[in-house]
Amino acid sequence: QVQLVESGGGVVQPGGSLRLSCAASGFTFSSYGMHWVRQAPGKGLEWVAFIRYDGSNKYYADSVKGRFTISRDNSKNTLYLQMNSLRAEDTAVYYCAKEDGQQAGHGYYYYMDVWGKGTTVTVSS
Amino acid sequence: AIRMTQSPSSLSASTGDRVTITCRASQGISSYLAWYQQKPGKAPKLLIYAASTLQSGVPSRFSGSGSGTDFTLTISCLQSEDFATYYCQQYYSYPFLTFGGGTKVEIK
Repeated sequence: QVQLVESGGGVVQPGGSLRLSCAASGFTFSSYGMHWVRQAPGKGLEWVAFIRYDGSNKYYADSVKGRFTISRDNSKNTLYLQMNSLRAEDTAVYYCAKEDGQQAGHGYYYYMDVWGKGTTVTVSS
Repeated sequence: AIRMTQSPSSLSASTGDRVTITCRASQGISSYLAWYQQKPGKAPKLLIYAASTLQSGVPSRFSGSGSGTDFTLTISCLQSEDFATYYCQQYYSYPFLTFGGGTKVEIK
């Protein structure tokens, strides 16, 4: 079945680094754009980053731009998030999500149809 | 950045009730809106995209409407498994996405 499994979370000190992975299975990973979304404890969802299906373009939320890098290895069906210069406010559950879309009327509508269970990142001294 | 404002932030309802959640965008987003359901400790689940199109497998008691800046998610007959937090998300500024703050639906 279609599945995303995140890993790599943990406890890290402020200023430290961490690399998250998201292993995909059950679909043609190389055909889909992928997102990272995070959720701080007790808070709502925050979009973090997006990478196109072939890795040609990457986009970031202002809150992580310059510190986080999204990448993918289509030969390994794996998405990554390299997180540097971590701050306390980066503490969250990090989800990877597969993007899909549908043509409807005059528009093409995107959505995140498959999500992983998340991996927890805690930034604390 | 486009801001998404949901109301109410929480509500109490009983099984069988009709529930309506509102999402307002800070600027017009056409129909580029999705709704997600999240239960405690779980990942979000897609319910609706393109403002009103039900995702495959989602019960028909869920419906979405709206266009431009004002949107609603309606649960026509609340079931026990519907108690969760609901988020709207805009895709107009794709791929820069923003979520609403969430609406927690609790048992009365």
